[in-house]
Amino acid sequence: GAVVSQHPSRVICKSGTSVKIECRSLDFQATTMFWYRQFPKQSLMLMATSNEGSKATYEQGVEKDKFLINHASLTLSTLTVTSAHPEDSSFYICSARVGTSGRGEQFFGPGTRLTVL
Amino acid sequence: GQQVMQIPQYQHVQEGEDFTTYCNSSTTLSNIQWYKQRPGGHPVFLIQLVKSGEVKKQKRLTFQFGEAKKNSSLHITATQTTDVGTYFCAGPGDSNYQLIWGAGTKLIIKP
Repeated sequence: GAVVSQHPSRVICKSGTSVKIECRSLDFQATTMFWYRQFPKQSLMLMATSNEGSKATYEQGVEKDKFLINHASLTLSTLTVTSAHPEDSSFYICSARVGTSGRGEQFFGPGTRLTVL
Repeated sequence: GQQVMQIPQYQHVQEGEDFTTYCNSSTTLSNIQWYKQRPGGHPVFLIQLVKSGEVKKQKRLTFQFGEAKKNSSLHITATQTTDVGTYFCAGPGDSNYQLIWGAGTKLIIKP
């Protein structure tokens, strides 16, 4: 089946530093990847939609200069949290969609727990 | 590594019939979460189960967590067109900093 990996699974950093999270589709090509943020016991919140070779589309309220997304290949998207602050501490999950249809199945990564001190 | 298996992959039902999806984990889970994703939408958190043998209801949806905390089910009574979508279960991974997702069960209402 389709597998999506994320790295790292957990990161702790100091306030003001930048953190990069990688999302990879291991056995399929993903034209579109999604980045979500999840607060405890709450729904996933879509942050941005990442299309290979083009700029990401950010949801309202998500700062594109703070959450940099790069989708350089059909198997890799990265999310960089720049100048991280404690309020950025959260669980970040990516997913990759098979195909270009808006109804294509999404496969989720295991998530990355970010803690900013 | 740890796995969460979810079956079936698809279920076609007539409107008004019941629907059930099952999740089985290879290891004991501290909790299990259920999500619903409408076609073209993103997953929406439905519920989290924590206690062994726990049963929770949300209107026509019944969620169960097994006594051994390794399996869970979601049952929908008398499905409606608004129930269409993919239902995912997810449990914490070995490190407790990860979520292990089931593959999802797509509920399809027959025309």
